[in-house]
Amino acid sequence: ETGVTQSPTHLIKTRGQQVTLRCSSQSGHNTVSWYQQALGQGPQFIFQYYREEENGRGNFPPRFSGLQFPNYSSELNVNALELDDSALYLCASSSGGLAGNTGELFFGEGSRLTVL
Amino acid sequence: DQQVKQNSPSLSVQEGRISILNCDYTNSMFDYFLWYKKYPAEGPTFLISISSIKDKNEDGRFTVFLNKSAKHLSLHIVPSQPGDSAVYFCAASANNFNKFYFGSGTKLNVKP
Repeated sequence: ETGVTQSPTHLIKTRGQQVTLRCSSQSGHNTVSWYQQALGQGPQFIFQYYREEENGRGNFPPRFSGLQFPNYSSELNVNALELDDSALYLCASSSGGLAGNTGELFFGEGSRLTVL
Repeated sequence: DQQVKQNSPSLSVQEGRISILNCDYTNSMFDYFLWYKKYPAEGPTFLISISSIKDKNEDGRFTVFLNKSAKHLSLHIVPSQPGDSAVYFCAASANNFNKFYFGSGTKLNVKP
């Protein structure tokens, strides 16, 4: 069983630039959630994708956007980067849908973004 | 707006003793709670969950207690082992598994 993988693991950008982070969900999972974890804080929900549709969004501005592909992998895009966007971005997959959804999230190791 | 709070940033416990990690929440609509463990440079890994229809769930050395009236849950680890040293997050969701609110974490150090 392949776990959740994220890329890149580390990256450095400057203010105003754009970034794309990628996530491959765990085998058999059709739901991907993205979280932002700032230093010393817990993960904060950005949004979730279920079967290629956005299925809930946290308190993040529109410059945070995402995609989910037919193979359930996902991208997080952030435009017009700000210094406060520096954080660990975590992708989590789960088995959504009506039955057998325990709600458990399986996290990747994260992508650490530094904005200078 | 911090709906899930872990008020102890750190906890130090002797090997073999009990570790008790606490979590408080404010939203009475939360009905599903999870605990995650995180080692440095790794993603959080699921430990144990509890639904609001229960007040206790046990899995080996780990037990989670839920007090709905107090909006409080706790994770007990007995006996504690040095390998348990990590950051522990509690998380909560309401009505569906769409969105989880996480606490800020408690760093547990189990001393040999």
